Order: sequence, then C-alpha cells, then structure tokens
Amino acid sequence: DARVTQTPRDKVTEMGQEVTMRCQPILGHNTVFWYRQTMMQGLELLAYFRNRAPLDDSGMPKDRFSAEMPDATLATLKIQPSEPRDSAVYFCASVGTGVFGEQFFGPGTRLTVL
Amino acid sequence: GENVEQHPSTLSVQEGDSAVIKCTYSDSASNYFPWYKQELGKRPQLIIDIRSNVGEKKDQRIAVTLNKTAKHFSLHITETQPEDSAVYFCAASSVTGKLIFGQGTTLQVKP
Repeated sequence: DARVTQTPRDKVTEMGQEVTMRCQPILGHNTVFWYRQTMMQGLELLAYFRNRAPLDDSGMPKDRFSAEMPDATLATLKIQPSEPRDSAVYFCASVGTGVFGEQFFGPGTRLTVL
Repeated sequence: GENVEQHPSTLSVQEGDSAVIKCTYSDSASNYFPWYKQELGKRPQLIIDIRSNVGEKKDQRIAVTLNKTAKHFSLHITETQPEDSAVYFCAASSVTGKLIFGQGTTLQVKP
C-alpha cells in the first residue's frame, strides 16, 4: 500500500533555529504540495511542484521559508530562522500524473517552536 | 482572490440522523471539488469528489451535490454513525490542480 512519508513526525526547536522537513511522495506521482495546518487557519497551501519545478509558492513567507525538490523522490521545506508563530502541523501531499486527482497526504510533521 | 467558504464550523447530530455541510467558492474556473475527512491526529483522506460536468455523486451513505451556477457544493451524510465523527474539509481546484480548502467542519455524532 503506497503512502506518502514525512520526516520527522515531531520536531521541537528553539526560536531562531533552522528546521528542515522532508517528504517522500508516492513513487510515480509528479505533483507535490506543502500545506500548513493550524487551528486558526485550517489547511493553507504553502507551495507546490510539478515534475520538480515550483509552480506556486505564493502562500509561503519568502523571507524565512524555502521549498525544493532535489529529485523526484524527495521534497524539502526549510524554515530559517524559525519563530513561535511557525508552530503548526506541516503536511505534504502528492498526486499522480494528470491535473486532477486524489491528493494523498503524508502523516504530517508537528512543529513546535519555543 | 480564490476563496472557499464552508458552513457550519461545527455540527452535532444524533446517530442515525443526516448531516449536511455546505461550501461556496469564488473562482468560476474551478472544476474539481473533493471532500476530505480528517480524524483527530490523522492525515486528511479523500472520501468523495465531484467534477464540474456532474451535478451529483453518491457513494453508499455519502453524497455530494454541485450547483455551478450558484457556485455551491454540499456533502450529505445519511444514517450517521459515531465513526463519522471527524473534521470534514471541502476544497475547490483551479485549472492548475491547486486546491483551496474550506475552513473545516467538526462533525460530532452522538450515540
């Protein structure tokens, strides 16, 4: 049963530290999304890639967040420096070929910035 | 900009009753409307979706209706069970495949 994986599952860090979250999409899926979930904001789209190329990162604070896909099996989301307001659950999701289809979500990374 | 409004934010029903969640979207180019269910501490999972060339779709106890003219779509759950308790998200997709999610509805089904 193919699934999206994410690491780490939980991360606690101090304000100002760098945080890197990783996502492995389902093999063969060519579109990867990064979402942030908080109680107040629901599911916010931060960025997404198709065939490893960034399509839209307008939801991401550019000064501290960066997203990349170094290869087809790995997507990364980095926060530097982290702030307490970044505390949230970060999900990645992948979709197979074709524009529309089920987004398969990873288990999420719960980030706490103290 | 693109926006999806979802109502109600919380819904409590008795087991066996029906539950209805409604969403409206702003982007008239949206043509794919999925619904996701998220149990506490878990990942969102797709439960049903509908495309703009269809007005209604049903899968056992869940159904979704779409009114493109009014830019409304709704989720209907019949004969609710305690395991239906979760947060439900609607979403609307643009032509690029990006999903805009509603704020979520917390459904509680009381035994």
